[in-house]
Amino acid sequence: KNEVEQSPQNLTAQEGEFITINCSYSVGISALHWLQQHPGGGIVSLFMLSSGKKKHGRLIATINIQEKHSSLHITASHPRDSAVYICAVFSPDKLIFGTGTRLQVFP
Amino acid sequence: DTAVSQTPKYLVTQMGNDKSIKCEQNLGHDTMYWYKQDSKKFLKIMFSYNNKELIINETVPNRFSPKSPDKAHLNLHINSLELGDSAVYFCASSQARITGGPWYNEQFFGPGTRLTVL
Repeated sequence: KNEVEQSPQNLTAQEGEFITINCSYSVGISALHWLQQHPGGGIVSLFMLSSGKKKHGRLIATINIQEKHSSLHITASHPRDSAVYICAVFSPDKLIFGTGTRLQVFP
Repeated sequence: DTAVSQTPKYLVTQMGNDKSIKCEQNLGHDTMYWYKQDSKKFLKIMFSYNNKELIINETVPNRFSPKSPDKAHLNLHINSLELGDSAVYFCASSQARITGGPWYNEQFFGPGTRLTVL
């Protein structure tokens, strides 16, 4: 079992839908990083958080340290949101990645 | 201006060869990283340098050697390439680590180098 698990692995949605991607981890962490990998392969940092909630445009990230869980929400999804979303946790001595969630948003 | 750049973007080579991938960042960051993304799209950290000093060295074969001539560059040399080395390699950088503080910071990724070993 991976130390960082994401769910679902694959997600399809219609444009406009509210999307939730989950990340659960089993190790103690210092912070958590949400990344987006575009279909072309490029990786973009979305959020880095160690507590509470952060919002940027239509994206919202939350983390519950006690429950070892983080969620990434996309409001009013759009086809350009189609990508792989990756959760990575910073544990005291290493960086561990989840296996990613592939999101496809159809018009 | 590209913040983190890598060259080449694609690299196709024969088994047994030695090759290098270059990475440069113009963000003024002090910490740089190399990651490997395998065919299953799983990302794994290989190395991290902070101010030209190696701070993370995951279990990778010693055929892989990072070289940091200055804090804006972190190159990856791979000797005696094997089929299993085929992957996409990403370079990244982050802001300086504060002395005594956590080593982690938001990371900025390069576009990746797709290495194919035949």
